Amino acid sequence: GAGVSQSPRYKVAKRGQDVALRCDPISGHVSLFWYQQALGQGPEFLTYFQNEAQLDKSGLPSDRFFAERPEGSVSTLKIQRTQQEDSAVYLCASSYRTASDYNSPLHFGNGTRLTVT
Amino acid sequence: KQEVTQIPAALSVPEGENLVLNCSFTDSAIYNLQWFRQDPGKGLTSLLLIQSSQREQTSGRLNASLDKSSGRSTLYIAASQPGDSATYLCAVRGGGGSNYKLTFGKGTLLTVNP
Repeated sequence: GAGVSQSPRYKVAKRGQDVALRCDPISGHVSLFWYQQALGQGPEFLTYFQNEAQLDKSGLPSDRFFAERPEGSVSTLKIQRTQQEDSAVYLCASSYRTASDYNSPLHFGNGTRLTVT
Repeated sequence: KQEVTQIPAALSVPEGENLVLNCSFTDSAIYNLQWFRQDPGKGLTSLLLIQSSQREQTSGRLNASLDKSSGRSTLYIAASQPGDSATYLCAVRGGGGSNYKLTFGKGTLLTVNP
C-alpha cells in the first residue's frame, strides 16, 4: 500500500485479556517505531526497530508489553493481561532510513485505538 | 529528560485570521523540530521539519521558526481556513539523552470557524 497500515483500527478488550496490534510499514522502510498516545496527550515513544533488530525498547511501560518484527517488515505489538491504563491509541511509524539519519521523515499510520474495559 | 510544552492548549478563531502556535522544549541539544497535524481518528501528518541549523521553514500558508538556544518554536498560519481545524503537535528529536526518539508536546487544538 501507499502508507503505513495498522490493524485493527479499534480493539475493545476486557481487563486481563491479551491483545496483538499489527503494523504494516511502507515497503522497504528500514526503521519502525511504536508510540502510545493517551487521550489528550502527545504520543510517547515505546520501541524502535531497525530492520528485524529491536534497538531500543526503553519506552515499553512494563514487561506485559512485547514487540517484534521477525522479518524486518510487519511488526506486532503484544500486550498481555491488559489493564485499564493501557487504553490509548497505538501509533506505528516507519522511515526509509535508519534512525541515525535524524532528518529522515517519519510516516505515521492511523493507529489502533485500544479500549480496556 | 526532554520536555515539550505547547501553548495554548486550545484556540478558536474566525476564518481568515492569522494565528501563532507556540512550542517550547527544555533541552536545546536537538537535531530537529517537527510540526505535525492530527485529525480526529487519524495518524500524524508532518507539516514542517526544521533542522537544528535552520531558523525557519515555510510551506504554503505555514511558517515555522526555531530558536534553538532559547528552546522555542512557533508555527504561524496565515489566512486560516475551516479545513485547518485539527490538533497541531510539536515534536523534537534529540535532547535528554535520546538520539532519535521524538518527544511530543500535548498539542494545540485549533478550531477555525466559518
